[in-house]
Amino acid sequence: AQKITQTQPGMFVQEKEAVTLDCTYDTSDPSYGLFWYKQPSSGEMIFLIYQGSYDQQNATEGRYSLNFQKARKSANLVISASQLGDSAMYFCAMREGLEGYQKVTFGIGTKLQVIP
Amino acid sequence: EAQVTQNPRYLITVTGKKLTVTCSQNMNHEYMSWYRQDPGLGLRQIYYSMNVEVTDKGDVPEGYKVSRKEKRNFPLILESPSPNQTSLYFCASSPISAGNTEAFFGQGTRLTVV
Repeated sequence: AQKITQTQPGMFVQEKEAVTLDCTYDTSDPSYGLFWYKQPSSGEMIFLIYQGSYDQQNATEGRYSLNFQKARKSANLVISASQLGDSAMYFCAMREGLEGYQKVTFGIGTKLQVIP
Repeated sequence: EAQVTQNPRYLITVTGKKLTVTCSQNMNHEYMSWYRQDPGLGLRQIYYSMNVEVTDKGDVPEGYKVSRKEKRNFPLILESPSPNQTSLYFCASSPISAGNTEAFFGQGTRLTVV
């Protein structure tokens, strides 16, 4: 089974609208962390937001929020008030084994395009 | 400035010619990792290191070697590169912690093996 699944290869959103990027994960480790990264066309990887498996509340960072549904094993990224600069690839990632050896798995990404 | 530095940024080489991609971080991070990024496949972890002299395989280690003799450096070695190793490579580092430890990424190395 895929450890990280991003089912939306591409998404369009109107500027100033909110958009949700889907991510589901699969792990049997009780301790894990979930991350979202942004990769603009220039290629660098930019950290956006983190959610720990024991965190009770959904993470928020400015216009980014993570809709964490542990029972469903989903960690969707919500971007509010989209801007043209949000056009990029978005990757969901999971870090397992927080108490010992830590493997990281990335999804295949979602390409977001913001339309003026 | 806190950063992860990879060299070279671009490299074209021939099949079978050994090469090393260097990675250095100045943040005293314990954890370092190499990824390759291919279209439609996202980033896949090649090797990672929890600390000096501690390394382990990621999901796609075949054809690669690493070493961690110093905390700041984590070179990626391709002993006999093949065309299927043409890819964009990223090095990343982070502290070891059970909490929020975002990875700091290098700028990437675009490798072409002909």
